[in-house]
Order: sequence, then C-alpha cells, then structure tokens
Amino acid sequence: AQTVTQSQPEMSVQEAETVTLSCTYDTSESDYYLFWYKQPPSRQMILVIRQEAYKQQNATENRFSVNFQKAAKSFSLKISDSQLGDAAMYFCAYRSGKSSGDKLTFGTGTRLAVRP
Amino acid sequence: EAGVVQSPRYKIIEKKQPVAFWCNPISGHNTLYWYLQNLGQGPELLIRYENEEAVDDSQLPKDRFSAERLKGVDSTLKIQPAELGDSAVYLCASSLVAGSGANVLTFGAGSRLTVL
Repeated sequence: AQTVTQSQPEMSVQEAETVTLSCTYDTSESDYYLFWYKQPPSRQMILVIRQEAYKQQNATENRFSVNFQKAAKSFSLKISDSQLGDAAMYFCAYRSGKSSGDKLTFGTGTRLAVRP
Repeated sequence: EAGVVQSPRYKIIEKKQPVAFWCNPISGHNTLYWYLQNLGQGPELLIRYENEEAVDDSQLPKDRFSAERLKGVDSTLKIQPAELGDSAVYLCASSLVAGSGANVLTFGAGSRLTVL
C-alpha cells in the first residue's frame, strides 16, 4: 500500500518570503500522480498543483512550484512571495496511475501560518 | 457552475442517534467519493462510486455506515447508530471518468459531525 508522509506538522513564513513544505511517499509503482491540496478554515480542499510521475519537468502554478525527485520519492511544495491568504493546511496526496486506482492517499498535513 | 454541494455543514447529535449527510456532485461528474477526515489528519476514503455503482467500499464500516447514490447523481451517507468516535468531517468529492489521466477531484466544504 502506498503511504504519504509529511514530517512538518506546522510551518511559519513571513509575508512576501518563500517557504517549502516537504512530502515523501512510498510506492512500488512507476506510474502515478502527486498533488498538493490546500484546506483553509472553510474546510474545502482546493487543488494547488499536480505532477505526473512520468514528467521530469517540475510543475509550476504562478507562485507555487514543486521539486519532484522521483528516485528519492520526494515531492516538496515551494510557495514564493507568500501572502496572508496562503495560510491554511496543506496536504500532499498520491494517486496510482492504474485505471483501477482512483483514490487519493493523503498525508497528515502541514499547517502553514503567514506572519504579516 | 456550482461546485460540490454538501449538507448539512454542521451536525451535533447524541450517541446512538442516526445521522445522514447529503452530497450533490458537479454536473456531469460520474465518480463520487466520500472521505472521512479526523481532526489533525488527512482525509481517508470511505467509498467511491462510479455512476450508481459502489466500486470501492473496502474502508466503509458496514456495521453502522451505509451509502447510496441513486440514479448516479446525488449521494447520501448514513451512520446508524453514531458513536463518539464518529466525530469528524465528512468530505464529498467528485470527478470525471475515473482512471482518465491526472483525474482531478473537486471537494465540497464538508459536513462536520459532533457526537456527544
């Protein structure tokens, strides 16, 4: 079974600075997808960014980028120019590339605080 | 376009009472998921539907939990009787056809259950 580990329960960043959230995963599969979701106090999980394992290029979405290290099974999220609205829980998630493996396996989350 | 709609947002009941949660997925999304999120944890899959068929319910505690998705659109998750340990957030998500590439799940705002 796949597992996702987020070793940082809490992180803090100064507004306008850069922060990196860590995520590692364990899998024996070669085809899979990785995601970062944001969960603000409203509880709604919002997709931040996704990465296909077969792509070597790291995904980017505006101020959000990932460092995907397939051999190391590492998938960190970098938030640049942090804003107050970035404060939330961030969850790393794994999805198998098999057609029957259509569930997300989540990590335990990292709570990000943004200091004004 | 409306997102995934869940109700109620909050529910407080006494133990041994029944409770039901409702989910309306995004129009056209064939796949529907119910996730359980305990406090301080990442979501865990309870059940996944493809149209009206439950294709993965291995994590659903069938002695007290039940779910249905009549006509392959709305879904209801029921707990009867509720126990103290059922206090959590119940998230509903939907997506297009399962197994199609980087299939993205869209989540609702969740239903927070408190069992006294």
